Amino acid sequence: RKEVEQDPGPFNVPEGATVAFNCTYSNSASQSFFWYRQDCRKEPKLLMSVYSSGNEDGRFTAQLNRASQYISLLIRDSKLSDSATYLCVVNYHSGSARQLTFGSGTQLTVLP
Amino acid sequence: DVKVTQSSRYLVKRTGEKVFLECVQDMDHENMFWYRQDPGLGLRLIYFSYDVKMKEKGDIPEGYSVSREKKERFSLILESASTNQTSMYLCATYSPGETNVLTFGAGSRLTVL
Repeated sequence: RKEVEQDPGPFNVPEGATVAFNCTYSNSASQSFFWYRQDCRKEPKLLMSVYSSGNEDGRFTAQLNRASQYISLLIRDSKLSDSATYLCVVNYHSGSARQLTFGSGTQLTVLP
Repeated sequence: DVKVTQSSRYLVKRTGEKVFLECVQDMDHENMFWYRQDPGLGLRLIYFSYDVKMKEKGDIPEGYSVSREKKERFSLILESASTNQTSMYLCATYSPGETNVLTFGAGSRLTVL
């Protein structure tokens, strides 16, 4: 079983739609959680951290469910520019990037 | 913001060749990483370095070695390239105090024939 699992998609949604991705992690000791975004043929970049109480950044909302060991990303009012692969990232040692574990990504295409 | 530069964006090599992938960062950061990214497998850590001449194996070090002679430069070496090393290779670093915020280079796509 993979340590971090994501639905690979692709998710094809129309502009303006709301779309949600889930990610499950297997290590219950995981401490830090993130979503990275990777555009086609580009490098990954941090999109947002995921806090225990949930957090929002504009149209993006991230939530953490420790009991069920999953995190989610909700994108409201999708834009064409949101088309990318979204990587779920988990760290079970918050003080060491060595312990970052990446999911394989969920591909999103926003259609006009 | 730190800039991470990978000198080779696309390489095509033959089986058995020695391959050097170079990565340079411009902020004097101590920690640097090499990952490979394959469809369906995500990013996997090959090696990382926490200072000059200091290195540690990641999750998939077999077939690779690294060199860190200067702080700004971290090189990944494939001593004898094989077809299963065809992949996207990503170098990364992070700023002190921001352990989880990796800044990646643009990537080196290696094809081994």
